[in-house]
Amino acid sequence: SQQGEEDPQALSIQEGENATMNCSYKTSINNLQWYRQNSGRGLVHLILIRSNEREKHSGRLRVTLDTSKKSSSLLITASRAADTASYFCATKFPYNQGGKLIFGQGTELSVKP
Amino acid sequence: GAVVSQHPSRVICKSGTSVKIECRSLDFQATTMFWYRQFPKQSLMLMATSNEGSKATYEQGVEKDKFLINHASLTLSTLTVTSAHPEDSSFYICSARPGPYNSPLHFGNGTRLTVT
Repeated sequence: SQQGEEDPQALSIQEGENATMNCSYKTSINNLQWYRQNSGRGLVHLILIRSNEREKHSGRLRVTLDTSKKSSSLLITASRAADTASYFCATKFPYNQGGKLIFGQGTELSVKP
Repeated sequence: GAVVSQHPSRVICKSGTSVKIECRSLDFQATTMFWYRQFPKQSLMLMATSNEGSKATYEQGVEKDKFLINHASLTLSTLTVTSAHPEDSSFYICSARPGPYNSPLHFGNGTRLTVT
């Protein structure tokens, strides 16, 4: 069964604007990861945040994690048309719970030039 | 580095036939590979964990006799969809982890299977 839920399901913004996507999950995790998928392609890893971290940055990406609320957010600043893709959060279960990586429903981001 | 290659990228087959999808780690060894399935505009569903030299671990609801997984070497896992039916049409994606246990996965580019 799916672990994570994301919102919004779809997001349309203008180039230069910021995009925020949210992810909620249900059980304890080792880490939470964000991936990007261009249409009809595999996934590309963007950023990983450990369960003991609260915020992480990578270029134009900023990820937050609130383990008390079991939620995470991905912020893409100064968006570009090339950022158009689907974005998925994925939660890493602890080893004693199978160690699987389970994906959320995804947010389809459209950045208009 | 850390490339995962998946082949074929798309395949069309007739009902009742079997289709084999290959997943290779090109520049690293992968004792474990993961097979996901994705329906249009939906998320990835983990089907099974492929373990080199031993049996795959299937997720609940995934028929192991329908989706045969073989992981005979440290760089190759195969998924065979046996006696395919139209409802098996989907996007199948494999992944592997070149780094330590909690590190990110690297994905192949997926295989679009269409069963007519």
